[in-house]
Amino acid sequence: NAGVTQTPKFRVLKTGQSMTLLCAQDMNHEYMYWYRQDPGMGLRLIHYSVGEGTTAKGEVPDGYNVSRLKKQNFLLGLESAAPSQTSVYFCASSFSAGEQFFGPGTRLTVL
Amino acid sequence: GEDVEQSLFLSVREGDSSVINCTYTDSSSTYLYWYKQEPGAGLQLLTYIFSNMDMKQDQRLTVLLNKKDKHLSLRIADTQTGDSAIYFCAVMNRDDKIIFGKGTRLHILP
Repeated sequence: NAGVTQTPKFRVLKTGQSMTLLCAQDMNHEYMYWYRQDPGMGLRLIHYSVGEGTTAKGEVPDGYNVSRLKKQNFLLGLESAAPSQTSVYFCASSFSAGEQFFGPGTRLTVL
Repeated sequence: GEDVEQSLFLSVREGDSSVINCTYTDSSSTYLYWYKQEPGAGLQLLTYIFSNMDMKQDQRLTVLLNKKDKHLSLRIADTQTGDSAIYFCAVMNRDDKIIFGKGTRLHILP
């Protein structure tokens, strides 16, 4: 099992560009999450999903959209990237509301 | 709102015990977790404790929970260089959401 994988690992964007981060899990988990990690801020929840076709806002959802069309995939979109979105993005999944399994992260720089 | 607090840094000599502390505000927290993040990687669950327990031991790791003071600690015995990482305390709140602390960076001195 690959666990939780994230694509891409690194990306540099210019302000105003758009992109989609892909998260995939092969553990048949119902719950999936997108976090961002910034120095001194810990992990902040952007959006999450409790099942295929559902999404919900987390702590810092502005500027991001998500979709969960397939149970194994959770996509995070940036419609118009801003320098404040420079961060490391982590995807996680869990069977229920408990232990979360994390991906390796995507390092995004917005110039 | 709910909050999970931890100190940002801890330095420990190799071979000594490390104690990482965490306080939280939600007294109804059911599960409490410790995650480890190594450089350039995602978080990995180290251990967890259910709220009706006071202590849990797993090899070199000991978790202590004081529900009255809403205090959680992680003790790592015989700290090794491989223990150098960021350790996150996390608690599950009454809405079944997991709230993470900001992480404690553990630095091992030779």
